[in-house]
Amino acid sequence: KQEVTQIPAALSVPEGENLVLNCSFTDSAIYNLQWFRQDPGKGLTSLLLIQSSQREQTSGRLNASLDKSSGRSTLYIAASQPGDSATYLCAVRPQGGSEKLVFGKGTKLTVNP
Amino acid sequence: GAGVSQSPRYKVAKRGQDVALRCDPISGHVSLFWYQQALGQGPEFLTYFQNEAQLDKSGLPSDRFFAERPEGSVSTLKIQRTQQEDSAVYLCASSVLLRTLTWGETQYFGPGTRLLVL
Repeated sequence: KQEVTQIPAALSVPEGENLVLNCSFTDSAIYNLQWFRQDPGKGLTSLLLIQSSQREQTSGRLNASLDKSSGRSTLYIAASQPGDSATYLCAVRPQGGSEKLVFGKGTKLTVNP
Repeated sequence: GAGVSQSPRYKVAKRGQDVALRCDPISGHVSLFWYQQALGQGPEFLTYFQNEAQLDKSGLPSDRFFAERPEGSVSTLKIQRTQQEDSAVYLCASSVLLRTLTWGETQYFGPGTRLLVL
């Protein structure tokens, strides 16, 4: 059974700092890995999707890497801003079966002005 | 609308009551998913539709949970005889089905329905 773990569970940083969020998964048989953002009372917003054959994806100040063989991904946020405060969720799509996603519990990020 | 919508946004039910949660996916999206998110946890998969066909219901926690998508668009998640452990946010997501299934497509999530069972 695929399990996704995110470390740390919560993180508080001053504005302007660069930071890294970690995600690990137990089964390397995945199609892709996604990073989502969740704001309180709202749904999930997809930030980056990395296909299994890719090593990284970039969007603006965000960079996500994938090491499928070791079951790890990182989300790098450059020059953090208070508006980045949210819960960040990592999810993998296991190979085989349906298109369902398996999520971690998330990292709650607070960026202090 | 431009995004996935869900209704109601909040629902308070007495234990034993039946509830129905509605999801309107993005127009033209073939795939539809339901997830359950307990407080402080990540979303957990419940069930998946491709058009009107329910292809995976392995995540439904008990036979009190039932989902349907009769015309391949709007979906309803029904919970019978609600229990306190059913209290959670229920998220709906939709995606476009690509011919090359090995790649996958991002899922677009609705705002969720927060269910509280008293």
